Amino acid sequence: EDKVVQSPLSLVVHEGDTVTLNCSYEVTNFRSLLWYKQEKKAPTFLFMLTSSGIEKKSGRLSSILDKKELFSILNITATQTGDSAVYLCAAGRMEYGNKLVFGAGTILRVKS
Amino acid sequence: DTAVSQTPKYLVTQMGNDKSIKCEQNLGHDTMYWYKQDSKKFLKIMFSYNNKELIINETVPNRFSPKSPDKAHLNLHINSLELGDSAVYFCASSQDYTIGGYTFGSGTRLTVV
Repeated sequence: EDKVVQSPLSLVVHEGDTVTLNCSYEVTNFRSLLWYKQEKKAPTFLFMLTSSGIEKKSGRLSSILDKKELFSILNITATQTGDSAVYLCAAGRMEYGNKLVFGAGTILRVKS
Repeated sequence: DTAVSQTPKYLVTQMGNDKSIKCEQNLGHDTMYWYKQDSKKFLKIMFSYNNKELIINETVPNRFSPKSPDKAHLNLHINSLELGDSAVYFCASSQDYTIGGYTFGSGTRLTVV
């Protein structure tokens, strides 16, 4: 059965800290790895990764995929209180339908 | 303008009732989805439609029936609601059905009492 596992489940840091969120996956016919940020309501798209070893960056956030080890990380540098959210990892399968298999998320709380 | 909008945002209803959730997207996307987020926060796919055609139908009770009158709308009708149906239901859309990130709606919190 397809599985996406995120760690840690939750994390509390202080503003200015750097955090690394982990995502491992076991998915049939893997195509892509996606990261989302979920605050109170709708998950918002952060990154989609399809190739190993190529880092994607957006401001203080960056992510990389390792297709050999079936693993991805999301880094957030110089954290701010506005980064507090649930970060969701999802694996996309190479099949008709663009189905995403989601992990349970990492709850990040940034204290001021 | 909200890209993916769902109504209602909250729904409290009694067991055995029938209810509908509506979803509309103004992004011009071809593919729309329904996901269920349970109390453990897992998002699980229920259905996917591409240009009004059903393309993913996960193991979901027959009491759940999606309807897509056009590619900008995907509604979810639930018959004979049960306590276990309580969850947040998210509508989403993507450019097409092959690859790509979704744009999610803000969710409908369904509580069955």
